[in-house]
Amino acid sequence: QSALTQPASVSGSPGQWITISCTGTSNDVGGYNYVSWYQQHPGRAPKLLIYDVTKRPSGVSNRFSGSKSGNTASLTISGLRTDDEADYYCSSYSGSSTFVVFGGGTKLAVL
Amino acid sequence: EVPLLESGGGLVQPGGSLRLSCAASGFTFSNFAMSWVRQAPGKGLEWISTITYNGGTTYSADSVKGRFSISRDNSKTTLYLQMNSLRAEDTALYYCTKGPEMTFGGEFVSSWLDPWGQGTLVTVSS
Repeated sequence: QSALTQPASVSGSPGQWITISCTGTSNDVGGYNYVSWYQQHPGRAPKLLIYDVTKRPSGVSNRFSGSKSGNTASLTISGLRTDDEADYYCSSYSGSSTFVVFGGGTKLAVL
Repeated sequence: EVPLLESGGGLVQPGGSLRLSCAASGFTFSNFAMSWVRQAPGKGLEWISTITYNGGTTYSADSVKGRFSISRDNSKTTLYLQMNSLRAEDTALYYCTKGPEMTFGGEFVSSWLDPWGQGTLVTVSS
């Protein structure tokens, strides 16, 4: 069982927007502004989309945005495209003992 | 040029050992913390271990503590994962990744893990 809770799947239509939630505790998501989001297409390595809750690496589309409220972080994807179909994972720093925890992943379908 | 290239995976019997390597290129390896993350077949990502820029401090998940050991050779720009007492549940694709950002004193600064290698498959089975 993953430390962070994500919905197993979400779906949307091209051009719409969706939000994926990532719920943790005050020991991880709620305690630090160190939440990251990764996109993984089948058979490919994960790709960093968002780090430190809201920051976007250079080269990542501004259609991807991150936020956090309390113990729940969110990834929003606007202007959905068919190539956004992938698995999405959140992660968070969790203190010096557990260090880094991941969510179980969310499969996005663009119908 | 591939920034991170893992090797060393394969089929091993339960109780056996393997050493994974990750050859880094295209950045100043000695300036960055490095991590291993694994993914069991059809499952999600699991953080395994992180090592600071100079190897002075390491962090490991409870699931591998005492069995796996992360290390690095900055002169060879290579990251390692020594895996002992392997179990069936260790079967996974093992990714090498740069980050997170940490101070030279070992404090967490930023959460990014980027880039990631393509992974090396470890199968533990008799």
